Amino acid sequence: EVVMTQSPGTLSLSPGERATLSCRPSQSITSSYLAWYQQQPGQAPRLLIYAASSRATGIPDRFSGSGSGTDFTLTISRLEPEDFAVYYCQQYLTAPVTFGQGTKLEIK
Amino acid sequence: EVQLLESGGGWEQPGGSLRLSCAASGFTFSTYGMSWVRRAPGKGLEWVSSISGSGGETHYAESVKGRFTISRDNSKNTLYLQMNSLRAEDTARYYCAKAHSSDYFPVDYWGQGTLVTVSS
Repeated sequence: EVVMTQSPGTLSLSPGERATLSCRPSQSITSSYLAWYQQQPGQAPRLLIYAASSRATGIPDRFSGSGSGTDFTLTISRLEPEDFAVYYCQQYLTAPVTFGQGTKLEIK
Repeated sequence: EVQLLESGGGWEQPGGSLRLSCAASGFTFSTYGMSWVRRAPGKGLEWVSSISGSGGETHYAESVKGRFTISRDNSKNTLYLQMNSLRAEDTARYYCAKAHSSDYFPVDYWGQGTLVTVSS
């Protein structure tokens, strides 16, 4: 099973700042099989990025994904109030699909 | 508009059974693979099971294999998860999830989830 390690566990920033979230799979992942999701409290997860860098429909361009192999990054260029949430990465190359434990992005 | 509405959650004793349903609308249901993903209290997301658009292929996490059964009724646009021999560690919110395109992942639409509590 591929273990997905996200860091930091919690990130405290202010609106307008830049956020950088890390995801490191325990094995190399082809970029085509890495996704990022956002989950607000009490809501369903929302797909942000798939294939490591492709934005899902309706996702603002302040969200961007990058990386390859065992090092992936989700960047939010300028934080809006609605961006404070929990973010999960997921690999879907190897069965079973696995998620990271999440990074909580909180308002500083 | 794509909508996924789960139901069937609740409280059950260890060893008991529950059947979750997910009513889908807003897309051609039979065309897409569907999955169940859960989130236990204080933990992250965990894939549970997936089924192909036709229902001919099913996949399970090791933690639920032999206890849970995924199925679908394409005439009713409904996904199911039969949960038997429930354990305390199955306590979680269960989400119904639609594949973005081919295969099962990534997921582009999620339901709001239904809460399952297993406790004596």
